[in-house]
Amino acid sequence: DAGITQSPRHKVTETGTPVTLRCHQTENHRYMYWYRQDPGHGLRLIHYSYGVKDTDKGEVSDGYSVSRSKTEDFLLTLESATSSQTSVYFCATAGTSFTEQFFGPGTRLTVL
Amino acid sequence: GQNIDQPTEMTATEGAIVQINCTYQTSGFNGLFWYQQHAGEAPTFLSYNVLDGLEEKGRFSSFLSRSKGYSYLLLKELQMKDSASYLCAVGRGSYIPTFGRGTSLIVHP
Repeated sequence: DAGITQSPRHKVTETGTPVTLRCHQTENHRYMYWYRQDPGHGLRLIHYSYGVKDTDKGEVSDGYSVSRSKTEDFLLTLESATSSQTSVYFCATAGTSFTEQFFGPGTRLTVL
Repeated sequence: GQNIDQPTEMTATEGAIVQINCTYQTSGFNGLFWYQQHAGEAPTFLSYNVLDGLEEKGRFSSFLSRSKGYSYLLLKELQMKDSASYLCAVGRGSYIPTFGRGTSLIVHP
């Protein structure tokens, strides 16, 4: 398994507060992704990165920003958390061959 | 745009065979993935099909028809531990996979 960790694993926060989720990988994979998973919607792409400082939006990017200053770290920031952002967030990585994605363990975020 | 369809839920009996279908409409197709996800856990990779045909990997096989926009995952000799969600994902240009909503498989004794 690719070494992918996410922190925190669980977080409860209040509406209007900023939140940052961290994804850390040890496999030197080029591509990194942030997804959210909600019942009835499956995995939806928030943002992705194809290299250091190279990022782009996914299908549900509103209210989220990302940064990748090092190959191993990909940060997801909720600028002002809302209850609709309560979800499970998964980070994933892929190497240049792109024959599979490796997923982190997920972060369960609750916005009250 | 993309449209990926798979059944929401399926049930099967331990020891049986089950086929989970996935149909898709997309531009820039470059492959189809299947992932397994147990409740409360992360998705794990099962298969990746680029060319038409059947690929077998132990009890699991995956089929792809690019011309029909169709794939299926075949699970043989079902075990209770196969109860999980199965996610179909279409890969397209720029390494951006898009996932279907997943099929929840329930295996009963």
